[in-house]
Amino acid sequence: QVQLQESGPGLVKPSQTLSLSCTVSGGSISSGEYYWSWIRQQPGKGLEWLGYIYSTGSAYYSPSVQSRISISTDRSQNQISLNLRSMTAADTAVYYCAGGLLRGDSGWYVSWGQGTLVTVSS
Amino acid sequence: DIQMTQSPSSLSASIGARVTITCRASQSIGTSLNWYQQRPGKAPKVLISGASNLQTGVPSRFSGSGSGTDFSLTISSVQPEDVATYYCQQSYRKDTFGQGTKLDIK
Repeated sequence: QVQLQESGPGLVKPSQTLSLSCTVSGGSISSGEYYWSWIRQQPGKGLEWLGYIYSTGSAYYSPSVQSRISISTDRSQNQISLNLRSMTAADTAVYYCAGGLLRGDSGWYVSWGQGTLVTVSS
Repeated sequence: DIQMTQSPSSLSASIGARVTITCRASQSIGTSLNWYQQRPGKAPKVLISGASNLQTGVPSRFSGSGSGTDFSLTISSVQPEDVATYYCQQSYRKDTFGQGTKLDIK
């Protein structure tokens, strides 16, 4: 299985943009076998899917963040990136990147990063 | 978007007990339903894919069933290492997770 590692700031000020990267090892993000997601977990809460991107570059987002999120890939670095604009305290969470195995029209997450805690505070 | 409703939100079971967690989708999702286990402080781990397919390495005491809108995850004989929160996830149209079921030991 591929391995994933998130990186980025642990502290973001309100109204700023969060930028996180996820480096994939043990496989190529260009492989059509996988899709790549960002998922977060607010303190003491459940998992919230934010969006995913296919190897084709097509990205799909959760309605809850659609107006302020973008997910992209950097094939030269084998990385997936998350940008989330207009951050508020409600965006404080552990952010995971995850690799999903595509089977037909659906899939499931077989690899997860360890997660990175992002706190929104001035 | 598709909503996923899990129940119960928490449960306490004795070692060796059989437990069942249910998950209901707000519309039919076929068998595009996966189950994850998240131990405290860890990333989630997939247990079941496609509603009923046990992932390699997952103990056989875990099983999944269902299709359409109603699904269940059963642990046939709870063990101490099963203390965790369990999530269902639909992958039929975009993704949605259930709110989670926290399992502890009596």
